[in-house]
Amino acid sequence: DGGITQSPKYLFRKEGQNVTLSCEQNLNHDAMYWYRQDPGQGLRLIYYSQIVNDFQKGDIAEGYSVSREKKESFPLTVTSAQKNPTAFYLCASSMTRPYGYTFGSGTRLTVV
Amino acid sequence: DAKTTQPNSMESNEEEPVHLPCNHSTISGTDYIHWYRQLPSQGPEYVIHGLTSNVNNRMASLAIAEDRKSSTLILHRATLRDAAVYYCILRDVNPNRDDKIIFGKGTRLHILP
Repeated sequence: DGGITQSPKYLFRKEGQNVTLSCEQNLNHDAMYWYRQDPGQGLRLIYYSQIVNDFQKGDIAEGYSVSREKKESFPLTVTSAQKNPTAFYLCASSMTRPYGYTFGSGTRLTVV
Repeated sequence: DAKTTQPNSMESNEEEPVHLPCNHSTISGTDYIHWYRQLPSQGPEYVIHGLTSNVNNRMASLAIAEDRKSSTLILHRATLRDAAVYYCILRDVNPNRDDKIIFGKGTRLHILP
């Protein structure tokens, strides 16, 4: 079955460490996105990529980095520069507009 | 970027229809209206989308105002499993504009048994 996989589901890291969240899709979608969600809040866009080897900053890119070397993969690195990294991170992919997004099941990151 | 406005929360009784409103007064001619829903600790799930005409699928119906400044997601017969946060967003199909979608806080739908 086609889908989008985020791993791990839960992640714990010590303050000051970089951590990379995985996102893989086998839907043959060109576009991929990373969102952050805090408790009781909506989704905020971190980075997005419309094609391999290209990506753009979203509204809250500071302290995060991404790469898009393969169509299927869009990993997100949360760096030590991110001041408040504890959150629920969601990855999504999409066919060409206007079609809808497919979301992964999320990674809950806790920094202690 | 065009924005949407939704009520923070709504309640409905089980087995009754639910009408979830969304205002998008600054919508452009190339914006499609999309609806998603999110269950606790899960990623959002696509529900439906449309441009001008009303749309139906197995999950819901989408009614779009004639001036396109508002829309309504209709769940015809709510069940307890429909309790979720519902997001109304706009997606611009103009290839000259960034494909950057803004999610608001959505509407938290409570279903009463």
